Amino acid sequence: DAGVTQTPRHEVAEKGQTIILKCEPVSGHNDLFWYRQTKIQGLELLSYFRSKSLMEDGGAFKDRFKAEMLNSSFSTLKIQPTEPKDSAVYLCASSRDRGKAPLFGEGTRLSVL
Amino acid sequence: GEKVEQHESTLSVREGDSAVINCTYTDTASSYFPWYKQEAGKSLHFVIDIRSNVDRKQSQRLTVLLDKKAKRFSLHITATQPEDSAIYFCAASMDGNEKITFGAGTKLTIKP
Repeated sequence: DAGVTQTPRHEVAEKGQTIILKCEPVSGHNDLFWYRQTKIQGLELLSYFRSKSLMEDGGAFKDRFKAEMLNSSFSTLKIQPTEPKDSAVYLCASSRDRGKAPLFGEGTRLSVL
Repeated sequence: GEKVEQHESTLSVREGDSAVINCTYTDTASSYFPWYKQEAGKSLHFVIDIRSNVDRKQSQRLTVLLDKKAKRFSLHITATQPEDSAIYFCAASMDGNEKITFGAGTKLTIKP
C-alpha cells in the first residue's frame, strides 16, 4: 500500500510569499491531519479533517494558515503570507478508523527567508 | 485541553540494556495512547499503542504500561539495539476523537 505522500519535500520561500503544500492520504483513510514540527514547539496540530469535513482549524493558526480537502484523496495547506517564524517541517497524516494511530508522511521542510 | 508531558528529554543506555520512557497526561477522558519513533531526518513512525481497557501491551521488545489512576504511561524497550536510537513521542487522545496530543519527545541514544 502506498503511504501518505507529501510534496514538495523542501520549499524555500521569501517573506510575504504564498506557498501551498500538498498531501495525498492513504487510500481509504477518512481522517487527515496537518501538523507543524519545530524543535521549540514540538508537534502542533494545524488542521484535522474527518471525511473531508474540517473538524479542527488550528486555533492560533487560523489567520494565515488554510487547509482544504477538495476530495478524499488530496489536501492542501496554504500559508499566506509566509513569515520567517513559519520555518518548520509540515507533516500530513491520515488514519482509517477512529482512535487509530495516524500514518505520517515524510513531511515538507519549509524555510522562509 | 489535554497536555502530555514526557519526563525525559534525553535518555542514554548501553546496548543490550533496557530503556524506559515515561509520560503523563492530564485529561481523564483520554483513552488511546500511541507511541511514535522518529529517526534522524525522517518522519514519525508508529511503534505501539495501548487503550485504556488494558494496563499492559507487549509487542516483541516493546511493552507499554498504563496506570489510569496516576494518568501515567510508559514505554519499555528491552535488549536495546543501535537501531533503537531515535526520538520517541508519546501521545494521547479521547476515544472517538482523533485529535492526538503529543509529548515533546525523548531522544534515546544507545551506546555501544
